[in-house]
Amino acid sequence: DGGITQSPKYLFRKEGQNVTLSCEQNLNHDAMYWYRQDPGQGLRLIYYSQIVNDFQKGDIAEGYSVSREKKESFPLTVTSAQKNPTAFYLCASSLGTGKEKLFFGSGTQLSVL
Amino acid sequence: GEDVEQSLFLSVREGDSSVINCTYTDSSSTYLYWYKQEPGAGLQLLTYIFSNMDMKQDQRLTVLLNKKDKHLSLRIADTQTGDSAIYFCAESRDTGRRALTFGSGTRLQVQP
Repeated sequence: DGGITQSPKYLFRKEGQNVTLSCEQNLNHDAMYWYRQDPGQGLRLIYYSQIVNDFQKGDIAEGYSVSREKKESFPLTVTSAQKNPTAFYLCASSLGTGKEKLFFGSGTQLSVL
Repeated sequence: GEDVEQSLFLSVREGDSSVINCTYTDSSSTYLYWYKQEPGAGLQLLTYIFSNMDMKQDQRLTVLLNKKDKHLSLRIADTQTGDSAIYFCAESRDTGRRALTFGSGTRLQVQP
């Protein structure tokens, strides 16, 4: 089945620790995105990538890093610099430049221990 | 302020129509989308409308766009308990950042 897979479903981070959230797609989409969802605040864009080996900051990139070494994969690292990381993280992909329909993964809930 | 605004909550009875409203501020928006999110899950695209259209109908869903007022609405006819979810509107702009901007979401509760 084609789709986007996020893992893990739940993740816990200790103080001062970096953690990496996985996002893989087999839809052959060029563009991939990371959004953060907090209750009552909708989705905020962290990073996005329109093509392999290229990515841009979104509205809340501080404390996060990404890489796009392969078309299928767009991992997100939540660094220790992100002081309030508890949130639901959603990965998405689309055929092209953001005008296209986004397909979402099922999300990762990150919590701080 | 928010680029895309929605009311937070709507409650309707099963069988009634639901109308979820959204306002946006960027007149260069080209596509406007409605997504549905069920608890603990990702977002699912419901429908979308191009900015040169006034209305789009897809089975029980009707999207109305008032470009002058920058107002978008989603009407769900014969609302069912399975329609209970959070609904997000989103805009895609023709210039600048190539990513969707989402509203804060409207939680629809359907009473049996």
